[in-house]
Amino acid sequence: ETGVTQTPRHLVMGMTNKKSLKCEQHLGHNAMYWYKQSAKKPLELMFVYNFKEQTENNSVPSRFSPECPNSSHLFLHLHTLQPEDSALYLCASSQVEQGRGGYTFGSGTRLTVV
Amino acid sequence: SQQGEEDPQALSIQEGENATMNCSYKTSINNLQWYRQNSGRGLVHLILIRSNEREKHSGRLRVTLDTSKKSSSLLITASRAADTASYFCATENDYKLSFGAGTTVTVRA
Repeated sequence: ETGVTQTPRHLVMGMTNKKSLKCEQHLGHNAMYWYKQSAKKPLELMFVYNFKEQTENNSVPSRFSPECPNSSHLFLHLHTLQPEDSALYLCASSQVEQGRGGYTFGSGTRLTVV
Repeated sequence: SQQGEEDPQALSIQEGENATMNCSYKTSINNLQWYRQNSGRGLVHLILIRSNEREKHSGRLRVTLDTSKKSSSLLITASRAADTASYFCATENDYKLSFGAGTTVTVRA
């Protein structure tokens, strides 16, 4: 338990399904992030929420939809995904003050799109 | 977008030996961080070095930063089997963290 909890740990979904990934942080941080990790590729930053406002989306396809209802919770809503979206999705949180410390990551959700 | 690039991509060493990996980056940074990832799990923050620092230690870890060369190194001394993992450098700028592709370290017993 790192202070950032992600559920579910594993998810298999069809291309026509709708599902959501959940992330919760218990650290009092004021920023949360979604990263995508595909095999043999660097982590890709998908979404950033600073003080609950989305500040970055890095041209992520609209089939991925983030939601941040408060500073402790972050969701990633998924619909009509493609097989190439299969990856490990990692949530992280941090305290946004320059140089104060690193990110705390959750254990990730392993997503398989069939 | 990818900022850091680690070298080597993979490293295999004997238990007790030192492991060194390098990271190069392209743009100015506020700080540089190193993370460890065990197979298929989340990343664990190891150490952060600010842009005005040149060297930092934490236990068996030693990190250097050369901003003139835009490079950093991570040294793990007296390696153990439990150090087997992937190691990533990440650069922070404008409150966003960009990761390299990582170095996979295998420590043989």
